[in-house]
Amino acid sequence: QSALTQPRSVSGSPGESVTISCIGTSSDIGAYNYVSWYQQHPGRAPKLMIYVVIKRPSGVPDRFSGSKSDNTASLTISGLQAEDEADYYCCSYAGNYTLIFGGGTKLTVL
Amino acid sequence: QVQLQQWGAGLLKPSETLSLTCAVYGGSYGFSDYYWGWFRQTPGTGLEWIGEIKGAGSTNYNPSLKSRVFISGDTSKNQISLRLSFVTAADTAVYYCARRIGYHYYMDVWGTGTTITVSS
Repeated sequence: QSALTQPRSVSGSPGESVTISCIGTSSDIGAYNYVSWYQQHPGRAPKLMIYVVIKRPSGVPDRFSGSKSDNTASLTISGLQAEDEADYYCCSYAGNYTLIFGGGTKLTVL
Repeated sequence: QVQLQQWGAGLLKPSETLSLTCAVYGGSYGFSDYYWGWFRQTPGTGLEWIGEIKGAGSTNYNPSLKSRVFISGDTSKNQISLRLSFVTAADTAVYYCARRIGYHYYMDVWGTGTTITVSS
C-alpha cells in the first residue's frame, strides 16, 4: 500500500480557483468512489470537506468541489479566500477494509 | 453533537507500549453504521490510518502496523483504546481518533489529537 500522490504545494490569489490533484491506482481511487478530502489548519484536527468524491458536508461552502477521473481525484476551490489557506489531504478506500491518504498539499493564498 | 476526547501518556522510551484512550460523547458509539478509528500524523509522512473498531467487536488494521497494534472498545464507557507496542522514534507523531462512516469510508468527526514523543 503506497500513499496517494499529491503536489506538495499550490497557490492562488484571492478570488482565483485552484485544483489539487490526488493520484492513486486502480486498486484504490480507480476502484472505488470512496474518496474524501480534509482541510487542516496548523495545530488543528483535520476537517472533512468532501466525501464520496463529490459530496459536501453541511456547512462546507459550495466553493469546494470534488471530482474523479480514472485513478485521479481532484479538489477544486473556487473564489479563494484567505481562510482557505491550509493543508489538504485526500483519502481513499483501498479495499480489504483499509484506508490510505495522500501526503498532503499546502495551499497558500497569495 | 458528537465530540471525541482523547488522552494518554505523551512521552515514551523506545520499546515501550503506547496507550491512548478516546471517549465518545454524544451517544452514537454503538450505532451500527459507525466505526471508530485511530490515525497519526508526522511532518514527514502526513496522515496515516492505524486501524479501527466497530463497537466492541470487529477490528481492521493497517497491514504495515498490524503486528504491533491492538484496538479495543468499551461499550459501557463509550470509549476506544489504542495500544502500539515496541515503539521507536518513527512512532513519534500526533495521534487522532475519529469516527468513520461505515458504508462510505470517510471520517466526519475527529478528536483534538495527542502528541506522542518516543525518545530515550
